[in-house]
Amino acid sequence: EDQVTQSPEALRLQEGESSSLNCSYTVSGLRGLFWYRQDPGKGPEFLFTLYSAGEEKEKERLKATLTKKESFLHITAPKPEDSATYLCAVDNAGGTSYGKLTFGQGTILTVHP
Amino acid sequence: DGGITQSPKYLFRKEGQNVTLSCEQNLNHDAMYWYRQDPGQGLRLIYYSQIVNDFQKGDIAEGYSVSREKKESFPLTVTSAQKNPTAFYLCASTRARTQPQHFGDGTRLSIL
Repeated sequence: EDQVTQSPEALRLQEGESSSLNCSYTVSGLRGLFWYRQDPGKGPEFLFTLYSAGEEKEKERLKATLTKKESFLHITAPKPEDSATYLCAVDNAGGTSYGKLTFGQGTILTVHP
Repeated sequence: DGGITQSPKYLFRKEGQNVTLSCEQNLNHDAMYWYRQDPGQGLRLIYYSQIVNDFQKGDIAEGYSVSREKKESFPLTVTSAQKNPTAFYLCASTRARTQPQHFGDGTRLSIL
C-alpha cells in the first residue's frame, strides 16, 4: 500500500528564517510527486511536480527536491504570506487507478513577522 | 478564466437526507475527482471519472454516488447511508495523468 508521511506536522518560523519540510513516501513505482499549498477554507494550489530522483524545481522562495525515498520543500527567507498548509502527494506508476494520488497529512507552516 | 467551480460553499444536511455537491470545470479536462478532507488527515479519494459516462470507486466510496453525464460536470451525492458526512469536500480535474490535478475551493458539509 502506498504511504506518504509529512514532517513536521506544524512548523513555526520567524520571517527570514529558512527551513525545510519533509515528505517521505513508499510506493512500488513513482510516476510523480506533487507539492501543493492550501490556505484555510480553500482548495489546494499546485506548486511543483517532480518525476525522478535528483530532480529539483524552484519558484520564488520555494525549492523542491526529490530522492528515491523522500522529497524536501525548502523555504528560503520566508515571509508571513508563505503561511499555509503544504501538502505532498504521490502517483503510483503501478496503480490501476488513473491519476489516483496518495496524500500526506500536510505540514502547517506559520511565519511570524 | 478557466477553473473549477464548486457549489455551494457551505451545506447542511439533516438526518436521513441526501445532498448533492456541484462541481463544474471549464478547463476541458477529461478526468475529474472527488476527495474528502478531514482535520489532520490527508485528502482521501471518493470517486473518479476518466471519461463521460464512466466512473470508478476510490478508497472511501461507501455512502456516496456520482454521475458524469457531461465532460464539464461531476456532481457528488452524499447519501443518508454515509453516517459521518461532516468534512471538507474537494473536486479536482486533470488533462492527463502526468499533469497536476487542479482543485476547486471546496464545499464544507455539516450535520444539522
